[in-house]
Amino acid sequence: QKEVEQDPGPLSVPEGAIVSLNCTYSNSAFQYFMWYRQYSRKGPELLMYTYSSGNKEDGRFTAQVDKSSKYISLFIRDSQPSDSATYLCAMRAPQGGSEKLVFGKGMKLTVNP
Amino acid sequence: DVKVTQSSRYLVKRTGEKVFLECVQDMDHENMFWYRQDPGLGLRLIYFSYDVKMKEKGDIPEGYSVSREKKERFSLILESASTNQTSMYLCASRVQGSTEAFFGQGTRLTVV
Repeated sequence: QKEVEQDPGPLSVPEGAIVSLNCTYSNSAFQYFMWYRQYSRKGPELLMYTYSSGNKEDGRFTAQVDKSSKYISLFIRDSQPSDSATYLCAMRAPQGGSEKLVFGKGMKLTVNP
Repeated sequence: DVKVTQSSRYLVKRTGEKVFLECVQDMDHENMFWYRQDPGLGLRLIYFSYDVKMKEKGDIPEGYSVSREKKERFSLILESASTNQTSMYLCASRVQGSTEAFFGQGTRLTVV
């Protein structure tokens, strides 16, 4: 079983839709959970991160972590064409453990006007 | 703003050539990483470096080596390029222990 699983899609939605992106993981040592956004022909950029369990909201974006289920989600409300990108989840253990970031495969999202 | 600069956006090399991919960061970050990104496989870690002259193998180090002689520069070396190394290569840097990694714009390498 891979450490991090992410459905690669692609996912196509109309403008204004609510988008849900998900990842599952197997390593219970992961404590930091991140979402990166990658536009075409660019490097990934950090969108949001959460530490341990719970929710975090930033504008139209909400990140959720359920450690009991080893499941993380990113919700995008009122999606816009500018949200069209590949979204990658990433995780790592606390400092003192592995410093490696482990990435999901990335989900390609297209928001149609 | 943090800047991670990769020396080339596009590169075409012949099979068997020795290839150098250069990455420079301007924020005095301790950690630097090299990934390759392929459709359907996502980002895979090739090598990473905790600090100057320190390196560790990632998940797919075969056919690659790295060099970190100065803190700001991390080089990826393909000793003898092969067609299965055709890929997008991404460099990243990070403050030791922090969450956010900053990526370069990527180098699309084609080996013919």
